[in-house]
Amino acid sequence: SQQGEEDPQALSIQEGENATMNCSYKTSINNLQWYRQNSGRGLVHLILIRSNEREKHSGRLRVTLDTSKKSSSLLITASRAADTASYFCATDDWGTGNQFYFGTGTSLTVIP
Amino acid sequence: DSGVTQTPKHLITATGQRVTLRCSPRSGDLSVYWYQQSLDQGLQFLIQYYNGEERAKGNILERFSAQQFPDLHSELNLSSLELGDSALYFCASSVGDGSRAYEQYFGPGTRLTVT
Repeated sequence: SQQGEEDPQALSIQEGENATMNCSYKTSINNLQWYRQNSGRGLVHLILIRSNEREKHSGRLRVTLDTSKKSSSLLITASRAADTASYFCATDDWGTGNQFYFGTGTSLTVIP
Repeated sequence: DSGVTQTPKHLITATGQRVTLRCSPRSGDLSVYWYQQSLDQGLQFLIQYYNGEERAKGNILERFSAQQFPDLHSELNLSSLELGDSALYFCASSVGDGSRAYEQYFGPGTRLTVT
């Protein structure tokens, strides 16, 4: 299965600190996306990085992709209490591009 | 608000029953995706439709079926329900057909409880 795995499973930090979470996947991809989910609610798209890109920024978010290691990282800088949520990486299937595989998620708690 | 609507919000039903979940995609989006999220399985892709046609199939059980109508809304039918079908069911939409990745916009989900 292509399903990714996020690491760590849970992360607790103080407001203002940086949070880093990692995603590993198994097979070749066209792109990788990161999503955020607040408890029991729908996922919200954060950022998309294509397989030919190595780094991408969006506001306080920085995503890196290493296709040789089949891994990605999401860095949230200067975290806020409102960043408390679960974060998922999603990869597509290189062959079809249609199916999306979500990882198991990292639960981030930002303590005010 | 993502622009994707799902009804109902909550559904409680008994084992063996059949239910229909409904999704209206964001205006202009032609693709609809269905996902199941449970505590033990995580977020599982079920099926994708693009402009009324099935495009991709994931871990969808034979007891489950879906369709997308000409007005682009979609329905997910779950039959012969089992306790293990209790989960959050999400619908997502995107502008593309899946051949190239676009971000997906998720609805608020339907929480299904099978008793």
